[in-house]
Amino acid sequence: NAGVTQTPKFQVLKTGQSMTLQCAQDMNHEYMSWYRQDPGMGLRLIHYSVGAGITDQGEVPNGYNVSRSTTEDFPLRLLSAAPSQTSVYFCASSRGTQETQYFGPGTRLLVL
Amino acid sequence: AQSVTQLGSHVSVSEGALVLLRCNYSSSVPPYLFWYVQYPNQGLQLLLKYTSAATLVKGINGFEAEFKKSETSFHLTKPSAHMSDAAEYFCAVSLTASKLTFGTGTRLQVTL
Repeated sequence: NAGVTQTPKFQVLKTGQSMTLQCAQDMNHEYMSWYRQDPGMGLRLIHYSVGAGITDQGEVPNGYNVSRSTTEDFPLRLLSAAPSQTSVYFCASSRGTQETQYFGPGTRLLVL
Repeated sequence: AQSVTQLGSHVSVSEGALVLLRCNYSSSVPPYLFWYVQYPNQGLQLLLKYTSAATLVKGINGFEAEFKKSETSFHLTKPSAHMSDAAEYFCAVSLTASKLTFGTGTRLQVTL
């Protein structure tokens, strides 16, 4: 098992550009989520999904979109990047809402 | 809503000394509690979790944590620090083991 994979590892964007952060898992996990990590603030939940076709907002959803068309993939879209979205983004997955989450290696995003 | 407070953003110990990382939580009902470790430029790895089965929880790499309801605490300890323990440690709380609420993290430094 590759576990949770994220691409790209690092990305530089200009303000206003759009991009998609990819997340995939090969563990047949139903639950997937996106967090952002900022210095001194820990990790904060952006969006999550309890299964294909079902998504919901977390603590800091503004500026981000998600969709879940398959069990394996949970992409995070930035429609118009802002400097405030400079952060490290982590994707996580688990078998269900009662199970331990496993984290990917992260994507470091810099918005200029 | 639940919350987590980690006392001390930086902790320094000598190799072989006791490691104590503090975590206090706030939750209206008995929560799930977690400790994750993050090594430089990596994702988060689960150290241990509390799910109400036992108040003393043993994790990987010799770490353990004790759930104390009366003190709303879940402090992480290790009897003897090793250089390889140098990392950032996050305490997290959840009502469902998903939708984690993280503390701001404690960076552990281990010196010779």
